[in-house]
Amino acid sequence: ETGVTQTPRHLVMGMTNKKSLKCEQHLGHNAMYWYKQSAKKPLELMFVYNFKEQTENNSVPSRFSPECPNSSHLFLHLHTLQPEDSALYLCASSQAQGAISSYEQYFGPGTRLTVT
Amino acid sequence: GQNIDQPTEMTATEGAIVQINCTYQTSGFNGLFWYQQHAGEAPTFLSYNVLDGLEEKGRFSSFLSRSKGYSYLLLKELQMKDSASYLCAVREDPGGYNKLIFGAGTRLAVHP
Repeated sequence: ETGVTQTPRHLVMGMTNKKSLKCEQHLGHNAMYWYKQSAKKPLELMFVYNFKEQTENNSVPSRFSPECPNSSHLFLHLHTLQPEDSALYLCASSQAQGAISSYEQYFGPGTRLTVT
Repeated sequence: GQNIDQPTEMTATEGAIVQINCTYQTSGFNGLFWYQQHAGEAPTFLSYNVLDGLEEKGRFSSFLSRSKGYSYLLLKELQMKDSASYLCAVREDPGGYNKLIFGAGTRLAVHP
């Protein structure tokens, strides 16, 4: 248990569906991240939020839409996905500023997404 | 461009020592992390190096050479539970926020 929770843990959706992934952190951090992890590929950073402001969009297609209503919650809204979007989606949090040791990112367990 | 290289797979014997190497070429550098990820689980933090040299933490040690763009993770007295993927990640600081660039990971299998 890392203090970062994600729901749902597994999701199967059709290409025409709309769904949302939720992430919540209980660590008092002020930066949150979405990553995509595909088989045999590096963890791929998608979005970064610092103090609720989006500071990084790593050329992610618009069918992925993030939302950060406060420092503890992060959502990833999904619509009209493609089969190649099937992957493990990981949320992480960290301090945005402060002592060097606090830059460590804490990861949630991920949502295993399958697009049919 | 960004490039972080580590071996895809390694095998080792229980009780032995294994060294996992990582080389990197990134546009910025503000430290290097090692994470452990068991199958189906979240990555968990193992170590962080920002200065050259060796950091020891129990059975695990991590080394960094910034001039060579090189790091390694050393695992001693291997146990079966050490079978996992080990991820090398470089921290960039593009402007006041924390960005990690990950390698593809090294899958370690520990055999009896």
